[in-house]
Parts: sequence; C-alpha cells; structure tokens
Amino acid sequence: LAKTTQPISMDSYEGQEVNITCSHNNIATNDYITWYQQFPSQGPRFIIQGYKTKVTNEVASLFIPADRKSSTLSLPRVSLSDTAVYYCLANAGNMLTFGGGTRLMVKP
Amino acid sequence: EAGVAQSPRYKIIEKRQSVAFWCNPISGHATLYWYQQILGQGPKLLIQFQNNGVVDDSQLPKDRFSAERLKGVDSTLKIQPAKLEDSAVYLCASSRPGGHEQETQYFGPGTRLLVL
Repeated sequence: LAKTTQPISMDSYEGQEVNITCSHNNIATNDYITWYQQFPSQGPRFIIQGYKTKVTNEVASLFIPADRKSSTLSLPRVSLSDTAVYYCLANAGNMLTFGGGTRLMVKP
Repeated sequence: EAGVAQSPRYKIIEKRQSVAFWCNPISGHATLYWYQQILGQGPKLLIQFQNNGVVDDSQLPKDRFSAERLKGVDSTLKIQPAKLEDSAVYLCASSRPGGHEQETQYFGPGTRLLVL
C-alpha cells in the first residue's frame, strides 16, 4: 500500500481556490488516487478519484502528473462549509489506508 | 437511497466492561467495513466483510474485538473487555462488490466510545 504525505493544515478565505497537494512516491501501477472529506462528528465522504491526468466533478478537480508521484486536489471558490479534514489515499481495490489528512480552515 | 446506519451514536463505559455496536449498510452493498478512528488520526480498518465472509481482519485485536455479519446484511462489532485506549469513533462503511473497480465506500456517522 502506497504511503501518502500531505500538509497537516491549511488556511484559506471564502471565495478563494484551494489546492491541496499529496505526495505518493511509491504508488503502484494499479493504485488509484482517492480523496475523502470528513466533517466533525461525521464519517468520511468520497470527493473524487482519478488514475492519471485530470478529473473534474461538480465538487472538485484532481490533477495527476504523468509520473503519478503526487496529486493535487483543487477546490474552487471555497466557502465556510468546506472547513473539514481532507484525506488523500492511494489504493487498489477496496483497501483504504488513511493518513492523518489535511485540516482545511476556511475563514470569512 | 438511505445511508449507512449505526447505533448507538454515543456510548460511555468503564474499562473491563463489554460493548457492542451495530451497523446496517446501504441496501445491496455486499462489502462492509469497520474502522476505528482515534481523535486526531485518520480511520484505521479493523475488519472487512464480503457478504457474510471475512476478507481482511489483520488489524483487528482478536483478543478483545470480535465482529460478525449474519446473513450478509447487518453487522455487529463487540469489544470485551474494553480498555482505556479503545476510546475512539467506530465507523462502519459499505460498498458494492468490487473486482478491479475502485468502489466508493459510504460511511455511517460513527459511534463515539468513551472508556473510563
């Protein structure tokens, strides 16, 4: 299972774009990169998943360079409600290994 | 569709007592997971079921923790006897059967356990 490294915390302001970068130097060929969001007193919630290049959904974008050793979650125009912990995972199949996550604080 | 249901939401017990948590996964989801999340850390997988069979329980402390999934639907996780370090949130998640597909896991709200 690939180990992921991401910043412990980040601060932002409402309306800004937030980019959270995750490194996964030993990612395996069959690993996907998955991001989850967790609010206090709730379970993690799936945000986005990708294998290479760029993936976009209604919530976020995920950028993965060709070497796949890192990935960047991009949250456009964050609001106060985006304050949460964001987890980056490199996983194959159903096995999820969570690291410590990035605690994002969005300020008014 | 209804989400993953868990009960109770909160539980306070004294050390050496026993406790049980219940999980009802999303209808049709064959795979069920139990995670332990200690304050300030990411969730750690304890056990994974595929229908009523155990797929992975390598991180389950089997001397005190047990889990079952009768009939391949609901599941219970039990701790007996509890220790102070078992204080955590216990999360249940479910997903459709995966093969090589990357199945999304849907998490319940968790049960917050405090052992005194």
